[in-house]
Amino acid sequence: GAVVSQHPSRVICKSGTSVKIECRSLDFQATTMFWYRQFPKKSLMLMATSNEGSKATYEQGVEKDKFLINHASLTLSTLTVTSAHPEDSSFYICSARDMAGEVNEQFFGPGTRLTVL
Amino acid sequence: GQNIDQPTEMTATEGAIVQINCTYQTSGFNGLFWYQQHAGEAPTFLSYNVLDGLEEKGRFSSFLSRSKGYSYLLLKELQMKDSASYLCAAMDSNYQLIWGAGTKLIIKP
Repeated sequence: GAVVSQHPSRVICKSGTSVKIECRSLDFQATTMFWYRQFPKKSLMLMATSNEGSKATYEQGVEKDKFLINHASLTLSTLTVTSAHPEDSSFYICSARDMAGEVNEQFFGPGTRLTVL
Repeated sequence: GQNIDQPTEMTATEGAIVQINCTYQTSGFNGLFWYQQHAGEAPTFLSYNVLDGLEEKGRFSSFLSRSKGYSYLLLKELQMKDSASYLCAAMDSNYQLIWGAGTKLIIKP
C-alpha cells in the first residue's frame, strides 16, 4: 500500500521557537495533503488542506500565520508551527491523497508529537 | 450541520464479538471509513463502504445503510491487540472526511 512518512516523529522545543514538520508520500504522488491535530482522547481535527502549487485552505479557527503550510512538490508538504507555545503541544498527523488512486483514498503518516515547554 | 456519533467506550471479552455503531449526517456522501488507532499512533485504514451492505475482511466486517445514515464495524474473535480506538469517518460532497470522536474498545481476558 501507499506509504506516507512524517519527520520528525517527536519534537520537544522551547516556547517561542518555530518547528517544521515534513510530510512525504514515498511511493505515490499527492496533489492534496491534509494536516490534522489530535488532542489526547479526542478525534482528529482537520487544520488545513494543502494543494500542490497553491495556497493551503485553512479550517475555521486555525491561524494561517501561525501554522504555515507549504506544498512545494507532489510528494512533500511541510507544516511550520511558528512561535510555538505550550498550548500548541499536540499530535500532528498528515495524510495524502493518491492522484492515481480513487479520489477518496487517503493515507496517513505516523504522526509527530510536539511538546512545547 | 455535519455530525458523526459513535459510543465513547466499549468493553468486550477476548474471543467474543463486538459491534461498534456509527451514525452520520453530512452534506453529500462519498463513503464511510473505519480506522483503527492505537494510543500514540496515527490511524490505520480498516474499511470503506460506499454502497449499502456488508463488506467482510477477515475478522473485521463493516456495514452501511445510506438511507439510515448508519454504519457498524463488527470485530470477531477478539484479540487483546484489538484494544484500540476505532474512528468512524464520513466523506462529504467535497471529499472531506468528517470524523467521529472515536470509540475506545477495551478487551478483557
